[in-house]
Amino acid sequence: DAKTTQPNSMESNEEEPVHLPCNHSTISGTDYIHWYRQLPSQGPEYVIHGLTSNVNNRMASLAIAEDRKSSTLILHRATLRDAAVYYCILRAPRMGGKLIFGQGTELSVKP
Amino acid sequence: NAGVTQTPKFQVLKTGQSMTLQCAQDMNHNSMYWYRQDPGMGLRLIYYSASEGTTDKGEVPNGYNVSRLNKREFSLRLESAAPSQTSVYFCASLPSGTDSNQPQHFGDGTRLSIL
Repeated sequence: DAKTTQPNSMESNEEEPVHLPCNHSTISGTDYIHWYRQLPSQGPEYVIHGLTSNVNNRMASLAIAEDRKSSTLILHRATLRDAAVYYCILRAPRMGGKLIFGQGTELSVKP
Repeated sequence: NAGVTQTPKFQVLKTGQSMTLQCAQDMNHNSMYWYRQDPGMGLRLIYYSASEGTTDKGEVPNGYNVSRLNKREFSLRLESAAPSQTSVYFCASLPSGTDSNQPQHFGDGTRLSIL
């Protein structure tokens, strides 16, 4: 399974944008990039996913490098509720739908 | 709209006791998964079920058994609990076939302590 590398922790101020980086230099051509987050004492929650093009949804944006070896999750205006552990996960087709979690980035948001 | 429901939410066991963790989803999803999460770590896959009647091992299956009772329910059994199985257990489901890039939906977890 291709691996991802994320910073252990990041800090942000409330209502400012946050850019969460992820390196995945061994990504294969068919791997999708998924992001989940886990709020304290809850199960993981889907945020966004993409293959090659940048993606936007109501929660966040995903910027994917042209060589696909890195990506960035963008929260446009951080709120206190966005404090969570964010996981960047590569998902290969025909792998049973499995998610391989790393340690993620713990995001703290200061008021 | 309950989503994925796990019972119980908390449990304390003694070493050697057995227990079944229950998971049910009301979204008509085909695939279901059991993960465990140790402190400060990401989730690790124990077992999964691509469809009713099938189960497959994940990354850390030793010491566990599973049953896909029907499309809605997927249970995880510890036959003889060990302290190393102290963890938070999460169940998840997936809308379509296992090749799908649809998101997995997770329950809120069962916090299990084994003394």
